[in-house]
Amino acid sequence: DSGVTQTPKHLITATGQRVTLRCSPRSGDLSVYWYQQSLDQGLQFLIQYYNGEERAKGNILERFSAQQFPDLHSELNLSSLELGDSALYFCASSPPGTGGRETQYFGPGTRLLVL
Amino acid sequence: GDSVTQMEGPVTLSEEAFLTINCTYTATGYPSLFWYVQYPGEGLQLLLKATKADDKGSNKGFEATYRKETTSFHLEKGSVQVSDSAVYFCALYSGGSNYKLTFGKGTLLTVNP
Repeated sequence: DSGVTQTPKHLITATGQRVTLRCSPRSGDLSVYWYQQSLDQGLQFLIQYYNGEERAKGNILERFSAQQFPDLHSELNLSSLELGDSALYFCASSPPGTGGRETQYFGPGTRLLVL
Repeated sequence: GDSVTQMEGPVTLSEEAFLTINCTYTATGYPSLFWYVQYPGEGLQLLLKATKADDKGSNKGFEATYRKETTSFHLEKGSVQVSDSAVYFCALYSGGSNYKLTFGKGTLLTVNP
């Protein structure tokens, strides 16, 4: 158990809908990262937050957004869902202090299926 | 940009066989290198890491040495077990203003009894 929690574990929805994925980082970690794992693209970095502020952006679609709250949990919002958004979404967290070079600890993931 | 290339799988071995999974990378600066493992139906777990050239990461019988001259970080284990069956990902973190991990495509390992 990495200490990173993600809910829900599974999500099934329809095209055009909107969903919210939730992540709680390890105690003491200020950074939260979101990744998408799909069969064709592999593991892709989406976005990072540090202590409530967006720090880095990767291959995140405009239909997707995220935020980190004062209690450091994070939410990833996916809207106008398409079939191709079906994937496993991971959250990771890392401890503060060394500019991100430290280990990222991954949650169990949320498996999203868009029908 | 940063990239990681792993040997393509799947890899199928018998129990107690020797394992090597090749990983090479392209990165700016001096990246940190990682191996993560994903067991069936689970998330990613850190297996081992190395943060500078010639460092050797090790854990659970797995080893990998950071080779800057060959830009490689090959994963090895002397004697695999059925319980090692999983997908193995090589990853790098190159720092600067880019805080992401860059992953290889993963290598599926199946160990038969």
